[in-house]
Amino acid sequence: EAQVTQNPRYLITVTGKKLTVTCSQNMNHEYMSWYRQDPGLGLRQIYYSMNVEVTDKGDVPEGYKVSRKEKRNFPLILESPSPNQTSLYFCASSTSSGRLWEQYFGPGTRLTVT
Amino acid sequence: KQEVTQIPAALSVPEGENLVLNCSFTDSAIYNLQWFRQDPGKGLTSLLLIQSSQREQTSGRLNASLDKSSGRSTLYIAASQPGDSATYLCAVEPDSNYQLIWGAGTKLIIKP
Repeated sequence: EAQVTQNPRYLITVTGKKLTVTCSQNMNHEYMSWYRQDPGLGLRQIYYSMNVEVTDKGDVPEGYKVSRKEKRNFPLILESPSPNQTSLYFCASSTSSGRLWEQYFGPGTRLTVT
Repeated sequence: KQEVTQIPAALSVPEGENLVLNCSFTDSAIYNLQWFRQDPGKGLTSLLLIQSSQREQTSGRLNASLDKSSGRSTLYIAASQPGDSATYLCAVEPDSNYQLIWGAGTKLIIKP
């Protein structure tokens, strides 16, 4: 089954404790992306990757890091989480190498930073 | 800067009604517009994608239209069912880059 998986699905942590949210897709997609969703704001892009070893900042990259060492994986790293990073996070992948056709989304990771 | 707005933020209608969800965008230089459905705990599912050269797309009971010149898109849902209850999001892909700009969504509740 074609899918994007994220782990963990729920995470409660404390300020400053480094964490990683994993994302993996099994569709051999070139494009992968991370979004955060906050009430009333819609989704905002954090980082995206056009292919292995190619990553670019989205609209809200501050406080986040990513890496793309393998085509299927695109982990999101919070080196020193803060309460304003409490949010719902989505990973997505797309089949297009040029434009963003249909995107497949993971189920989301709800992060709470206290 | 492109902005996407969805009105209303929430909508509750009885089962069986036809309904229209609205999406507006400020910059007409878009490559495509997409409608998504979001169910709690299940992520987002792509419903319809309209390329900038198209006027509408249909899938089952769903029909999405696009008017680039006026910066508007509508999602028409025919004969609504309780299973249609979800949050509906629209997103535009600008001509200039490989990103999606999202609206905040319309939360739809279909009452049995």
